[in-house]
Amino acid sequence: DVKVTQSSRYLVKRTGEKVFLECVQDMDHENMFWYRQDPGLGLRLIYFSYDVKMKEKGDIPEGYSVSREKKERFSLILESASTNQTSMYLCASSLTSRAYNEQFFGPGTRLTVL
Amino acid sequence: DAKTTQPNSMESNEEEPVHLPCNHSTISGTDYIHWYRQLPSQGPEYVIHGLTSNVNNRMASLAIAEDRKSSTLILHRATLRDAAVYYCILRVLPYNNNDMRFGAGTRLTVKP
Repeated sequence: DVKVTQSSRYLVKRTGEKVFLECVQDMDHENMFWYRQDPGLGLRLIYFSYDVKMKEKGDIPEGYSVSREKKERFSLILESASTNQTSMYLCASSLTSRAYNEQFFGPGTRLTVL
Repeated sequence: DAKTTQPNSMESNEEEPVHLPCNHSTISGTDYIHWYRQLPSQGPEYVIHGLTSNVNNRMASLAIAEDRKSSTLILHRATLRDAAVYYCILRVLPYNNNDMRFGAGTRLTVKP
């Protein structure tokens, strides 16, 4: 079974702190994604990566950056956390971009920025 | 953009079949229909997908209308563990990873 793990289930940070969210997948998938999920807004794509060192902006990249130095690892970085970045963050991976390939999600990290 | 419409919520009794509808009237011939579900406090998980024909897997069945403007996810015997939010999603060309759109989904409640 594909496993997508995220470094923390819960995280509390202060405004202005630099925050790293780590995601690891163990099935040699090409693509990795970061979403945030907020009540009433659903899941929104922040960034995705289709290869090592490659990244593409999603719908809401402002305030975030990403890093993919190794195929199995995709990091989301909040350079200076703000209260409006309090959210559930979900990482996902998929084998390829083909329309019949499903995405596998991690359990999520609930981030609170005070 | 092709969009989907689902009821906000549905209820079912345990061990009874559940039919979750999805309308996608603007679907094009190359759009795949995907279903995911999200159990409480978990990330979404893939359920099933299809293009034109009905599909079955160990979790569910997907019935696609002949004109493809609607589809129905069928859970044959609902269990309490099936209580979740179910999302109907279209994968559209160019399938570039930026095409998955999770709407509000249908919140399924299963009563014992």
